Amino acid sequence: RKEVEQDPGPFNVPEGATVAFNCTYSNSASQSFFWYRQDCRKEPKLLMSVYSSGNEDGRFTAQLNRASQYISLLIRDSKLSDSATYLCVVMQFSGSARQLTFGSGTQLTVLP
Amino acid sequence: DAGVTQSPTHLIKTRGQHVTLRCSPISGHKSVSWYQQVLGQGPQFIFQYYEKEERGRGNFPDRFSARQFPNYSSELNVNALLLGDSALYLCASSFQGLGETQYFGPGTRLLVL
Repeated sequence: RKEVEQDPGPFNVPEGATVAFNCTYSNSASQSFFWYRQDCRKEPKLLMSVYSSGNEDGRFTAQLNRASQYISLLIRDSKLSDSATYLCVVMQFSGSARQLTFGSGTQLTVLP
Repeated sequence: DAGVTQSPTHLIKTRGQHVTLRCSPISGHKSVSWYQQVLGQGPQFIFQYYEKEERGRGNFPDRFSARQFPNYSSELNVNALLLGDSALYLCASSFQGLGETQYFGPGTRLLVL
Protein backbone atom coordinates (compact mmCIF):
# COMPACT_ATOMS: atom_id res chain seq x y z
CA ARG A 1 0.00 0.00 0.00
CA LYS A 2 1.32 3.44 -0.92
CA GLU A 3 1.93 5.84 1.96
CA VAL A 4 -0.02 8.60 0.23
CA GLU A 5 -2.78 7.66 -2.18
CA GLN A 6 -4.58 9.91 -4.63
CA ASP A 7 -7.04 9.35 -7.43
CA PRO A 8 -4.81 9.86 -10.50
CA GLY A 9 -7.64 11.25 -12.61
CA PRO A 10 -7.57 12.77 -15.11
CA PHE A 11 -10.27 15.20 -14.11
CA ASN A 12 -11.58 17.16 -17.10
CA VAL A 13 -13.91 19.95 -16.02
CA PRO A 14 -15.40 23.03 -17.70
CA GLU A 15 -14.39 26.52 -16.67
CA GLY A 16 -16.35 27.65 -13.64
CA ALA A 17 -16.86 24.16 -12.27
CA THR A 18 -16.11 23.07 -8.72
CA VAL A 19 -13.75 20.12 -8.40
CA ALA A 20 -12.66 18.15 -5.35
CA PHE A 21 -9.55 16.03 -4.86
CA ASN A 22 -9.11 13.48 -2.10
CA CYS A 23 -6.08 11.91 -0.57
CA THR A 24 -5.43 9.35 2.16
CA TYR A 25 -2.23 8.70 4.07
CA SER A 26 -1.17 5.63 5.99
CA ASN A 27 1.28 6.93 8.61
CA SER A 28 -0.69 8.20 11.59
CA ALA A 29 2.47 9.88 12.92
CA SER A 30 2.53 12.30 9.97
CA GLN A 31 2.97 15.84 11.17
CA SER A 32 2.31 18.35 8.42
CA PHE A 33 0.24 18.29 5.29
CA PHE A 34 0.36 20.21 2.02
CA TRP A 35 -1.01 20.48 -1.47
CA TYR A 36 1.55 21.22 -4.16
CA ARG A 37 0.81 22.05 -7.77
CA GLN A 38 3.03 20.85 -10.60
CA ASP A 39 2.77 22.13 -14.15
CA CYS A 40 3.97 19.94 -17.02
CA ARG A 41 7.75 19.50 -16.91
CA LYS A 42 8.11 22.00 -14.07
CA GLU A 43 8.94 21.74 -10.39
CA PRO A 44 6.27 21.32 -7.68
CA LYS A 45 5.12 24.59 -6.15
CA LEU A 46 3.39 24.94 -2.80
CA LEU A 47 -0.31 25.63 -3.21
CA MET A 48 -1.28 25.59 0.43
CA SER A 49 -0.65 23.98 3.78
CA VAL A 50 -3.50 21.97 5.31
CA TYR A 51 -4.68 22.33 8.88
CA SER A 52 -7.15 20.37 10.98
CA SER A 53 -9.36 23.42 11.26
CA GLY A 54 -9.53 23.69 7.49
CA ASN A 55 -8.16 26.61 5.58
CA GLU A 56 -9.13 28.66 2.59
CA ASP A 57 -7.11 30.70 0.11
CA GLY A 58 -9.33 32.42 -2.40
CA ARG A 59 -10.97 29.76 -4.54
CA PHE A 60 -9.07 26.94 -2.81
CA THR A 61 -10.17 25.17 0.37
CA ALA A 62 -8.20 22.42 2.08
CA GLN A 63 -9.37 20.10 4.83
CA LEU A 64 -7.61 17.57 7.04
CA ASN A 65 -9.25 14.77 9.00
CA ARG A 66 -6.59 13.21 11.22
CA ALA A 67 -8.92 10.52 12.56
CA SER A 68 -9.66 9.26 9.05
CA GLN A 69 -6.17 10.14 7.72
CA TYR A 70 -7.84 11.99 4.89
CA ILE A 71 -6.96 15.25 3.12
CA SER A 72 -9.05 17.12 0.59
CA LEU A 73 -8.71 20.05 -1.78
CA LEU A 74 -11.68 21.92 -3.23
CA ILE A 75 -11.29 24.29 -6.16
CA ARG A 76 -14.22 26.59 -6.87
CA ASP A 77 -14.87 28.53 -10.08
CA SER A 78 -12.13 26.65 -11.99
CA LYS A 79 -9.95 28.68 -14.35
CA LEU A 80 -8.03 27.48 -17.39
CA SER A 81 -4.86 28.34 -15.47
CA ASP A 82 -5.76 25.77 -12.78
CA SER A 83 -4.88 22.98 -15.24
CA ALA A 84 -1.99 21.12 -13.60
CA THR A 85 -1.18 18.05 -11.53
CA TYR A 86 -2.07 18.41 -7.86
CA LEU A 87 0.18 16.57 -5.42
CA CYS A 88 -0.94 15.60 -1.93
CA VAL A 89 2.07 15.77 0.37
CA VAL A 90 2.67 14.56 3.91
CA MET A 91 5.65 15.54 6.04
CA GLN A 92 6.97 12.84 8.33
CA PHE A 93 9.64 13.01 10.94
CA SER A 94 12.17 10.28 10.23
CA GLY A 95 14.76 10.61 12.98
CA SER A 96 15.94 14.18 12.63
CA ALA A 97 14.90 14.38 8.97
CA ARG A 98 11.78 16.16 7.78
CA GLN A 99 10.80 13.98 4.86
CA LEU A 100 8.10 14.89 2.35
CA THR A 101 6.13 11.94 1.01
CA PHE A 102 4.19 12.66 -2.17
CA GLY A 103 1.17 11.06 -3.71
CA SER A 104 1.35 10.26 -7.40
CA GLY A 105 -0.71 13.34 -8.23
CA THR A 106 -4.13 14.06 -9.67
CA GLN A 107 -4.21 15.56 -13.13
CA LEU A 108 -6.69 18.38 -13.72
CA THR A 109 -7.60 19.86 -17.08
CA VAL A 110 -9.97 22.81 -17.13
CA LEU A 111 -11.70 23.09 -20.49
CA PRO A 112 -12.95 26.31 -22.12
CA ASP B 1 15.59 37.16 -4.51
CA ALA B 2 16.76 34.11 -6.38
CA GLY B 3 14.96 30.87 -5.73
CA VAL B 4 16.54 27.46 -5.58
CA THR B 5 18.89 26.95 -8.50
CA GLN B 6 20.06 23.64 -9.95
CA SER B 7 22.59 22.70 -12.57
CA PRO B 8 22.73 21.34 -15.14
CA THR B 9 19.16 21.56 -16.42
CA HIS B 10 19.51 18.49 -18.63
CA LEU B 11 22.00 15.68 -18.79
CA ILE B 12 22.46 12.57 -20.93
CA LYS B 13 24.66 9.75 -19.65
CA THR B 14 25.24 6.11 -20.49
CA ARG B 15 24.88 3.11 -18.21
CA GLY B 16 27.76 2.67 -15.79
CA GLN B 17 28.78 6.33 -15.79
CA HIS B 18 28.53 8.60 -12.80
CA VAL B 19 26.86 11.97 -12.47
CA THR B 20 27.06 14.99 -10.16
CA LEU B 21 24.10 17.31 -9.78
CA ARG B 22 24.32 20.66 -8.03
CA CYS B 23 21.92 22.76 -6.01
CA SER B 24 22.06 26.22 -4.45
CA PRO B 25 19.37 26.89 -1.83
CA ILE B 26 17.47 30.10 -1.30
CA SER B 27 19.65 32.65 0.47
CA GLY B 28 19.41 32.11 4.23
CA HIS B 29 18.13 28.55 3.95
CA LYS B 30 20.27 25.97 5.69
CA SER B 31 18.53 22.73 4.77
CA VAL B 32 18.60 20.99 1.40
CA SER B 33 16.64 17.91 0.38
CA TRP B 34 16.93 15.83 -2.77
CA TYR B 35 14.07 14.04 -4.52
CA GLN B 36 13.79 11.78 -7.56
CA GLN B 37 10.71 12.01 -9.76
CA VAL B 38 10.15 9.40 -12.44
CA LEU B 39 7.54 10.00 -15.11
CA GLY B 40 3.99 9.66 -13.86
CA GLN B 41 4.93 9.50 -10.18
CA GLY B 42 5.31 11.95 -7.35
CA PRO B 43 8.80 12.89 -6.14
CA GLN B 44 10.55 10.39 -3.86
CA PHE B 45 12.78 11.47 -0.98
CA ILE B 46 16.49 10.68 -1.37
CA PHE B 47 18.38 12.77 1.22
CA GLN B 48 18.07 15.68 3.57
CA TYR B 49 21.02 17.77 4.78
CA TYR B 50 21.10 20.44 7.44
CA GLU B 51 24.18 22.38 8.48
CA LYS B 52 26.33 20.02 6.40
CA GLU B 53 25.10 16.94 8.24
CA GLU B 54 22.97 14.20 6.70
CA ARG B 55 19.66 14.16 8.53
CA GLY B 56 17.85 11.47 6.65
CA ARG B 57 18.03 9.09 3.76
CA GLY B 58 15.28 7.53 1.71
CA ASN B 59 15.14 4.03 0.30
CA PHE B 60 17.86 4.43 -2.33
CA PRO B 61 20.95 2.28 -2.92
CA ASP B 62 24.45 3.26 -1.85
CA ARG B 63 25.17 4.35 -5.41
CA PHE B 64 23.45 7.57 -4.38
CA SER B 65 25.42 9.94 -2.17
CA ALA B 66 25.30 13.62 -1.36
CA ARG B 67 27.02 16.32 0.59
CA GLN B 68 26.42 19.87 1.71
CA PHE B 69 29.04 22.59 1.65
CA PRO B 70 29.71 25.41 4.14
CA ASN B 71 27.76 27.82 1.91
CA TYR B 72 24.79 25.38 2.17
CA SER B 73 24.92 24.40 -1.50
CA SER B 74 24.73 20.69 -2.16
CA GLU B 75 25.77 17.98 -4.59
CA LEU B 76 24.04 14.73 -5.39
CA ASN B 77 26.25 12.00 -6.83
CA VAL B 78 25.03 8.86 -8.52
CA ASN B 79 27.51 6.13 -9.46
CA ALA B 80 27.16 3.19 -11.83
CA LEU B 81 24.13 4.67 -13.54
CA LEU B 82 21.26 2.38 -14.49
CA LEU B 83 18.55 2.98 -17.06
CA GLY B 84 16.09 3.26 -14.17
CA ASP B 85 17.93 6.28 -12.82
CA SER B 86 16.45 8.34 -15.65
CA ALA B 87 14.29 10.89 -13.87
CA LEU B 88 13.85 14.50 -12.83
CA TYR B 89 16.06 15.21 -9.82
CA LEU B 90 14.66 17.94 -7.62
CA CYS B 91 16.37 19.91 -4.91
CA ALA B 92 14.33 21.64 -2.21
CA SER B 93 15.46 24.11 0.40
CA SER B 94 14.02 25.22 3.70
CA PHE B 95 15.26 27.46 6.48
CA GLN B 96 15.85 24.74 9.02
CA GLY B 97 13.80 21.85 7.66
CA LEU B 98 11.92 21.55 10.92
CA GLY B 99 8.44 21.10 9.51
CA GLU B 100 8.78 24.18 7.38
CA THR B 101 7.79 24.62 3.79
CA GLN B 102 10.23 23.21 1.27
CA TYR B 103 10.76 25.20 -1.92
CA PHE B 104 11.78 23.33 -5.03
CA GLY B 105 14.26 24.18 -7.73
CA PRO B 106 13.54 23.59 -11.43
CA GLY B 107 15.24 20.21 -11.36
CA THR B 108 17.82 18.39 -13.44
CA ARG B 109 16.43 16.08 -16.06
CA LEU B 110 18.71 13.03 -16.34
CA LEU B 111 18.46 10.55 -19.18
CA VAL B 112 20.50 7.34 -18.96
CA LEU B 113 20.97 5.48 -22.24
